[in-house]
Amino acid sequence: GQQLNQSPQSMFIQEGEDVSMNCTSSSIFNTWLWYKQDPGEGPVLLIALYKAGELTSNGRLTAQFGITRKDSFLNISASIPSDVGIYFCAGLMDSNYQLIWGAGTKLIIKP
Amino acid sequence: EAGVVQSPRYKIIEKKQPVAFWCNPISGHNTLYWYLQNLGQGPELLIRYENEEAVDDSQLPKDRFSAERLKGVDSTLKIQPAELGDSAVYLCASSYSHGGELFFGEGSRLTVL
Repeated sequence: GQQLNQSPQSMFIQEGEDVSMNCTSSSIFNTWLWYKQDPGEGPVLLIALYKAGELTSNGRLTAQFGITRKDSFLNISASIPSDVGIYFCAGLMDSNYQLIWGAGTKLIIKP
Repeated sequence: EAGVVQSPRYKIIEKKQPVAFWCNPISGHNTLYWYLQNLGQGPELLIRYENEEAVDDSQLPKDRFSAERLKGVDSTLKIQPAELGDSAVYLCASSYSHGGELFFGEGSRLTVL
């Protein structure tokens, strides 16, 4: 089946550091989405990208839709404790509206 | 505006017992999804509804899982009989269309003993 390769699998960072994570696929997507999931909760949409090359920000978060349409990046600037959680990328296949999910990047802030 | 509501939040049952999960989507959202999420993994689609119609149930294990969405609003996911491997979080989500912008409920955590 379709797969998204999301990396890194986990990240240990200091508060205040910038964070970068990415997703790649062998398939082309016309929509990329980034979600965040806190423990015991469902995923929450952070950013949606609809056009190749698009760069979109949501506060300290910035995401980019890769020009090849096979990848996407999420950056978090000046991380704070509430950024802890699991970040998922997802790509939408226009052919059948299936949403393909990455395995997640777990963000942990060092005490 | 109320979000996606799921119940129960937690359920513990013995194997071979039946279990049912209920979902109330956001008002006006035509598309409803049931996902399964194992620990440390991304959500896996079980079934997607457009109004009352199940348009994608290819990943639903139909020998033991069933779902319905009567009147195109609330939905129920049932497992009968449950197996040990069914222990997971069952997430319900809804969206206005099939564009990928999903709103999730808090999930129902199932433990099968």
